[in-house]
Formats: sequence, structure tokens, C-alpha cells
Amino acid sequence: AQSVTQLDSHVSVSEGTPVLLRCNYSSSYSPSLFWYVQHPNKGLQLLLKYTSAATLVKGINGFEAEFKKSETSFHLTKPSAHMSDAAEYFCVVAAPSGGSYIPTFGRGTSLIVHP
Amino acid sequence: GAGVSQSPSNKVTEKGKDVELRCDPISGHTALYWYRQSLGQGLEFLIYFQGNSAPDKSGLPSDRFSAERTGGSVSTLTIQRTQQEDSAVYLCASSWGQSQPRSGNTIYFGEGSWLTVV
Repeated sequence: AQSVTQLDSHVSVSEGTPVLLRCNYSSSYSPSLFWYVQHPNKGLQLLLKYTSAATLVKGINGFEAEFKKSETSFHLTKPSAHMSDAAEYFCVVAAPSGGSYIPTFGRGTSLIVHP
Repeated sequence: GAGVSQSPSNKVTEKGKDVELRCDPISGHTALYWYRQSLGQGLEFLIYFQGNSAPDKSGLPSDRFSAERTGGSVSTLTIQRTQQEDSAVYLCASSWGQSQPRSGNTIYFGEGSWLTVV
């Protein structure tokens, strides 16, 4: 079984300040972890993924995430927010199980960026 | 094609009518997924295909929902006797399919089919 919890439904920051979007996961197997971003009325775009290599993963648009097994966390960060970062962010966990590989999505965190 | 293609992009239908939503995955991708996203909600898993078979259809919300995949490629999601609560964005995604653990197959999403039942 696997699950993912995004700890904040909304995060509000000012442009130029750091961003932290929190994600905790649960998985019976060593999982792969992803962050996707969804801009309004758009599809989902992959930001970054963790697949058991380096625990600090760098993604597009200056985002990065750190896999912490002891804390079962995969928080997404960015040093300086930009107005264009305003979007919905989804944390995803996936592990092969019983012949299937079905990613499970968190409920999403809405990032609001103020000028 | 270059990406996952879904059609129609928008569909308005009357309550009680049947609708078909189509998904063209990325060429060569053996795994195909359907998810549903309701307003302000996360993504709800519906069904997963590996090739033409569906090893997991546990997310289909009722027997009004069905899906098939032919030729290991195109998939169709059918909703019979639509209800207002079926209004949502239906997202299709594809990937290379099950691999070794830790390989982290990326799932690529289409733009979605926006369904409105009136």
C-alpha cells in the first residue's frame, strides 16, 4: 500500500522569498517520488523525480527536493519565488506492486505568489 | 506523437447521455492510466492498462464507467448515463510500463478532457 500527504492545501509567499511545499509518503516498497505542477487550465508537468540515486534532486525552474527516508518526506523547495510559480503542485509516490505500477497523488498544494 | 493526446478537449453533455473520451498515448508506452480530477480536488485513479489488459480497474466509480484499450495504443473511456457528479477533468497518462523497482518511470499526462454534464 502507498499513500502521500501534502501537509498544506495552500502556501502563500512573496515574490523573491523561499518556497517550501511539504510532502510525506508511505510505501510498502522503496518508492519513486515525483513532484508535478499544474498551471490553471493546463495539464500536469513533471518538475522532478527521485529514483534512489542522489537524495537531493534538482528539477526544472529552480526547484529541488530532498528525499529523507528517516522522515518519509520529500519536501519541495525553491530559493526565490517568481510570479510564474503560482500553480497547483502535486506530490506523487509510486512503487511496483503485484504486477502493477500505479502512482498515487497527494491532494495538491496551491502556491500563491504575491508581488 | 510527441505527447499524450486526448479528445475531445471539452465536452458538454446532457444528463443521461453516454460519452466517450479518447486517449492517444506516447508511441511505445505500454502503460496507460486514466485519472479524474474534480474541481478543487486531487487526482483520483480510475484504471490502469498494461498493454491491452487492465490489471487494475479498482478506481472506476461505478458500472457506468468502462474503458478499453486496443492495439496496445489508443484507449477509450466510456461513461454511460452520465450524471452531474461525473463533471470533471479526465486525464490520461502513459509511461514505459512496469520496470524494476526504483526505476522511477515517469508518467506523462495529456491536457485532459473537460466534461460538463448539464
